[in-house]
Amino acid sequence: DVKVTQSSRYLVKRTGEKVFLECVQDMDHENMFWYRQDPGLGLRLIYFSYDVKMKEKGDIPEGYSVSREKKERFSLILESASTNQTSMYLCASRRQTSNQPQHFGDGTRLSIL
Amino acid sequence: GNSVTQMEGPVTLSEEAFLTINCTYTATGYPSLFWYVQYPGEGLQLLLKATKADDKGSNKGFEATYRKETTSFHLEKGSVQVSDSAVYFCALSDGIDRGKLIFGQGTELSVKP
Repeated sequence: DVKVTQSSRYLVKRTGEKVFLECVQDMDHENMFWYRQDPGLGLRLIYFSYDVKMKEKGDIPEGYSVSREKKERFSLILESASTNQTSMYLCASRRQTSNQPQHFGDGTRLSIL
Repeated sequence: GNSVTQMEGPVTLSEEAFLTINCTYTATGYPSLFWYVQYPGEGLQLLLKATKADDKGSNKGFEATYRKETTSFHLEKGSVQVSDSAVYFCALSDGIDRGKLIFGQGTELSVKP
């Protein structure tokens, strides 16, 4: 089975802090994704990476950056956390062949105080 | 552009009732279609998928058939259990944009004993 592991289930940080969310997958997948999930807004794509050191902006990249130095790890960075970034963050990975689904981690519930 | 529309929730059923959650889509070409399930406090799990017209995906008693003529992928289960209470997401991948998924807004299902 595919395993996507997010480093924290719950995280509390303060406004202005630099926050790192880590995601690791164990299936040698090429593609990795970061989403945020908010009530009434569904899942929104922040960034994705189609290979090591490659990244593309999703629908809501403002205030975020990402890093993919190794194939198995995809990090989401909140450069200067703000209260409107309080959310559930979900990481996913996928093999880059036709019709393959995305596989999700358990999520990180991030609170910015 | 591509889009997915699901029936609004919440849907409340009694145990052993028949379930249908409607999903329709708009897409160019031949998308792959997915159903994901999210249990409280967890990430998304792939429930089933279909990759071409008339394919039927099935898993854990759930089924969905890819209907190109009606652009639909409705989720069904003959007899729901309390443990099926969750949020269900319909999604499509057009196979072009590096495996990005377009999600519906999610449908919350609550099953009462």
